[in-house]
Amino acid sequence: AQSVTQLGSHVSVSEGALVLLRCNYSSSVPPYLFWYVQYPNQGLQLLLKYTTGATLVKGINGFEAEFKKSETSFHLTKPSAHMSDAAEYFCAVSHMGRRALTFGSGTRLQVQP
Amino acid sequence: ETGVTQSPTHLIKTRGQQVTLRCSSQSGHNTVSWYQQALGQGPQFIFQYYREEENGRGNFPPRFSGLQFPNYSSELNVNALELDDSALYLCASSPPGPGDEQYFGPGTRLTVT
Repeated sequence: AQSVTQLGSHVSVSEGALVLLRCNYSSSVPPYLFWYVQYPNQGLQLLLKYTTGATLVKGINGFEAEFKKSETSFHLTKPSAHMSDAAEYFCAVSHMGRRALTFGSGTRLQVQP
Repeated sequence: ETGVTQSPTHLIKTRGQQVTLRCSSQSGHNTVSWYQQALGQGPQFIFQYYREEENGRGNFPPRFSGLQFPNYSSELNVNALELDDSALYLCASSPPGPGDEQYFGPGTRLTVT
């Protein structure tokens, strides 16, 4: 069975500071990995994904994530936080071809002025 | 290009009743998945439809059922509603081919009283 752990249910940063949201996964086979963002009262928007190839993945809104197989991690980063980044972020994993996502419990990002 | 749409936006039902939620997939997408997101949690996979057949199911009882139509739109039906069924129900569609990424609709907020 696959699972996703997001360390830190709440993360608070100052505007302009580095954003680091942590995600660790467990999977018996090579996974596909995703980060989604959810703004209040909205659905989920895909930020970025890792399937195969380059382990550093760039997404929308300046976010990127690095797949580290040895650490079973897929942490999300952004060099400089913006107020508009305040939202809930979810890491998810799927097995190739199964198309059923397993989500972590989410991390709420607050950005302080 | 129209994204994934869901109806209704909000719904209030009484325990024991039945409910039907609807989803229109994004143009060109042939796979539809449904997720339940309880308050403060990550989405949980309910089931997935591909070519009008159920193509995988999560840990949900049989009173959760679905349909997919030839135009790839989908319905989620829940019978004998329980208070714990109160949640945001998210529909996601996926394009053909590898990758597993899913594109989510805005969700239907179901409240069971």
